[in-house]
Amino acid sequence: GAVVSQHPSRVICKSGTSVKIECRSLDFQATTMFWYRQFPKQSLMLMATSNEGSKATYEQGVEKDKFLINHASLTLSTLTVTSAHPEDSSFYICSAIRGQGANQPQHFGDGTRLSIL
Amino acid sequence: AQTVTQSQPEMSVQEAETVTLSCTYDTSESDYYLFWYKQPPSRQMILVIRQEAYKQQNATENRFSVNFQKAAKSFSLKISDSQLGDAAMYFCAYRAYLNTGTASKLTFGTGTRLQVTL
Repeated sequence: GAVVSQHPSRVICKSGTSVKIECRSLDFQATTMFWYRQFPKQSLMLMATSNEGSKATYEQGVEKDKFLINHASLTLSTLTVTSAHPEDSSFYICSAIRGQGANQPQHFGDGTRLSIL
Repeated sequence: AQTVTQSQPEMSVQEAETVTLSCTYDTSESDYYLFWYKQPPSRQMILVIRQEAYKQQNATENRFSVNFQKAAKSFSLKISDSQLGDAAMYFCAYRAYLNTGTASKLTFGTGTRLQVTL
């Protein structure tokens, strides 16, 4: 089955640090990837849609300069939290869609727990 | 904008019994997809079942089935013969069908936490 690898699974760092999270589709090409944020006991909130070879589409209220997304290849999208602060602490999850087509399911990574001290 | 509502923050079921989780949604689209995802304590998102809106027949996957009522915009999940491993957060999700052929985003409900007791 389709596998999406997300790395790292957990990161703890100091305030002011920039943190990069990787999302890889291991056995398929993903023209579209999504980045979600999930607070404790809450639902997944879409942050942005990442399209290979083009700029990401951010949801309303998500700071583009704060959360940098790069989708440089068909198998890799990265989310960089720049100058992270304690309020950025959260669980971040990516998902990828195999190929193109509205009928394709989303495959989720295992998530990254980010803790900013 | 599409919205997904799960009115049951928590549900409990005894092992081997049946439980139904509710979900309603709001959309002006006629073509779309509906999903139920399970998120256990590991926080991995696991697809439980999916339904295409153009299909009248309710989807089933082993012990999991849905009651899809398009006119009422309702999409409930029934879990039969509940098992301890079914304990998790369950999210209902909506995805529009884009006639451009490209994938659209998922809109999630707020989730229902299911407890399974002995």
